[in-house]
This record gives sequence, structure tokens and C-alpha cells, in this order.
Amino acid sequence: DQQVKQNSPSLSVQEGRISILNCDYTNSMFDYFLWYKKYPAEGPTFLISISSIKDKNEDGRFTVFLNKSAKHLSLHIVPSQPGDSAVYFCAASDNAGNMLTFGGGTRLMVKP
Amino acid sequence: EAGVVQSPRYKIIEKKQPVAFWCNPISGHNTLYWYRQNLGQGPELLIRYENEEAVDDSQLPKDRFSAERLKGVDSTLKIQPAELGDSAVYLCASSLGQNPLVYEQYFGPGTRLTVT
Repeated sequence: DQQVKQNSPSLSVQEGRISILNCDYTNSMFDYFLWYKKYPAEGPTFLISISSIKDKNEDGRFTVFLNKSAKHLSLHIVPSQPGDSAVYFCAASDNAGNMLTFGGGTRLMVKP
Repeated sequence: EAGVVQSPRYKIIEKKQPVAFWCNPISGHNTLYWYRQNLGQGPELLIRYENEEAVDDSQLPKDRFSAERLKGVDSTLKIQPAELGDSAVYLCASSLGQNPLVYEQYFGPGTRLTVT
């Protein structure tokens, strides 16, 4: 039973355009959400997070939106750059800070 | 500052053989995690240590998997005997504390295990 789902295994975007990566969750106890970025042969690195008390968090070119009623979050990257090409994982935790539950990842390819 | 170090990076073994993975966390990080990442999936937590104590090992298949962090620094994850389904990337991560809402987890590059 996947509690965090990333339904698009891959996404291809032209350089300079917006990339939108989506994530859905089923556990209503999840209160905190994170996005990780992973390059080949490297471990995931933290990118951006959002708490359920907010519906938006922005950091430079990266913005995460949370729709708690729909149990949906998305990561927007604008403008997209070739160096953004990587696998992006969505992760969630409850407010007690228990274990992170990861989605299956979305491979983003930004074409020059 | 050195990141999380894992070795080996790759391991190929035949089924029923034992295998061990080693992790050295970032200096000063009290919390250490072992994750398993199957192909096309996200990381899944196997075990979490707070110093030398395993505080969450509910996801660790204890019939064949074992882990230790004897001095509260580096850690070893062992599989004995390995099965075909154990083929995956084994990731180690560390953080200053155990609450992911407060403390960022830093991941190592992983060990890719192939069981034939």
C-alpha cells in the first residue's frame, strides 16, 4: 500500500520552461512534506520542504504547493535548467517526526 | 566537510551468500539510517539508530538482516543468506537528530547489490 505516490515516472521539459512534478498521498496523518533530488550514482539531497500549515513555500527557482484537502503537492521549477535533470522524490512525515515515507520518484529531463 | 561514506559502491554475489555494507556518517551526526531502494521505487527505511541504540527496526527483515553501530559512529548492515529479491541499492543517511522536521538527512551514494 503506497502512501506516497508519484504517478509520473518521467517528465521531459524544454530549458527555460516550467517543470511541474506532482505527488499524492493517502495518509491524513502526514503533516510535513519534503522534496529530494537525486543524480545518478549519488544519494538523494534535500531540496525544499513544506509544513501543512502553509500552502506554498518558495526557494529561488523552486516552489512547492500543498493542497491538503486534495492530499496533493507539487514542485514547480522555473525556469528549468539542464542541470535540473535528475530524479525527484517526494517524501512525507507525520508531525511527530517519525519515519519519512518516500514516493517512487519522477525522472526529470530538461532539454537544452 | 566529508559527506556520508559508504562501501563498497557495488557488490555482486550469488544467492545464499552473505554480504555486508559499511557506512561512516557525517562527524557529529548522532542519528543514522539504513534505507533500501528497489528499482523504480523510493527509499524505504530499514533501521534507524540514535547513537548506538536501534530506535526503529520495525521494517528490518530480522530473519536474514542484521545491523550494528557498536560505538555510535560507523555502522554495518549484513544480509545472511542473500536472496534474489534483496537486489537493490542500500542507502545510508545521517542527521544531527532524529526528527526529520528539524534535522536534514544527508544520504550517502549507496551500495548497489546484485544477487544472482
